[in-house]
Amino acid sequence: EAAVTQSPRSKVAVTGGKVTLSCHQTNNHDYMYWYRQDTGHGLRLIHYSYVADSTEKGDIPDGYKASRPSQENFSLILELASLSQTAVYFCASSDRGGDGAETLYFGSGTRLTVL
Amino acid sequence: GEQVEQLPSILRVQEGSSASINCSYEDSASNYFPWYKQEPGENPKLIIDIRSNMERKQIQELIVLLDKKAKRFSLHITDTQPGDSAMYFCAASRPNYNVLYFGSGTKLTVEP
Repeated sequence: EAAVTQSPRSKVAVTGGKVTLSCHQTNNHDYMYWYRQDTGHGLRLIHYSYVADSTEKGDIPDGYKASRPSQENFSLILELASLSQTAVYFCASSDRGGDGAETLYFGSGTRLTVL
Repeated sequence: GEQVEQLPSILRVQEGSSASINCSYEDSASNYFPWYKQEPGENPKLIIDIRSNMERKQIQELIVLLDKKAKRFSLHITDTQPGDSAMYFCAASRPNYNVLYFGSGTKLTVEP
């Protein structure tokens, strides 16, 4: 089965601090994604990438940066963490589909609490 | 991006009965509609999907229906079991666009 590993599993950060969430996949997938999960909002796309050294904005990119230094690694960076960024963050990967999207394989999630 | 609406947000059913979750989308070009199940403390996992060249798909107790004209799709779980209790997310994607847009989720509880 496809493997997507996130670190850390949980983190407590202070308002205004910098937070980096890491994701590593061993699936040889082209696409990687960062989603945020909040109660009542489901899964919202923050950033995604389809090739190393390139990232794309999703629906809610404000306050977040992303970095894809290699096919296997995709990071989410909060330069100035805010209370509103308290959430569970999921990384996912998928293969390039012939006609659009394919199955997403999610990591176990990172629970971020900003105080 | 695509907007996906999902209802209901909370659903309680008795064991052995059926459960139905409904989703709608905005972009008529969307052509791929998966459903993900997330058990408590776990990550979401794909359980069934349907593409726009189909109207119905069934995998065991899971049935997905797609009405392209109305831009609606739905998940039906027949003969529900306690193990079906989880969060369910619908999603949609457009052709040649490898991004899924998710609904807000339905928390299903199957009561014994």
